[in-house]
Amino acid sequence: GENVEQHPSTLSVQEGDSAVIKCTYSDSASNYFPWYKQELGKGPQLIIDIRSNVGEKKDQRIAVTLNKTAKHFSLHITETQPEDSAVYFCAASKGNTPLVFGKGTRLSVIA
Amino acid sequence: EPEVTQTPSHQVTQMGQEVILRCVPISNHLYFYWYRQILGQKVEFLVSFYNNEISEKSEIFDDQFSVERPDGSNFTLKIRSTKLEDSAMYFCASSVSGNDYGYTFGSGTRLTVV
Repeated sequence: GENVEQHPSTLSVQEGDSAVIKCTYSDSASNYFPWYKQELGKGPQLIIDIRSNVGEKKDQRIAVTLNKTAKHFSLHITETQPEDSAVYFCAASKGNTPLVFGKGTRLSVIA
Repeated sequence: EPEVTQTPSHQVTQMGQEVILRCVPISNHLYFYWYRQILGQKVEFLVSFYNNEISEKSEIFDDQFSVERPDGSNFTLKIRSTKLEDSAMYFCASSVSGNDYGYTFGSGTRLTVV
């Protein structure tokens, strides 16, 4: 089955700097790659997603890139703000299969 | 914005007892899921449910677990005889389509087995 690896497990950045979180997946048939943000005491919330027919997608300060050949995808957050502090999860799936999540990255934005 | 609602937010139970975790998915969603997250670990898939039956389940979802959609709005996860290792956050999610148009997760139920 699919296996998703996520790095780093923790990340601290200064406010205003960029943050990059990377994930790799094992199943070349996976075609959907969402990113979730989980704040303390809450469920994961979808922040951006990308499908395998697209190499990059942006939404304001957030972007996701996908390299199908290398089977990795990354989340980029620019101009980080304290409210970006949370745990971020990548996930992967194919067709109708359930999402498989990475282990999460705890992002701390230091003011 | 539509939400997935989970109750209770926190449940403490004695080992061997039965627990039922409740979820109200978004009303026009057709696919329902349960995931769990042991403290500090990844979010793990338990089961997916569509058209009033289980569509997929993981190895974690053994005979101690069952799901039900008893009344067209609620979606429940039952653990028949809880074990210490069942202690985790349990998240319900729903989606419009099984073709990965993004899951909406609830806030979770923290289950503590003592």
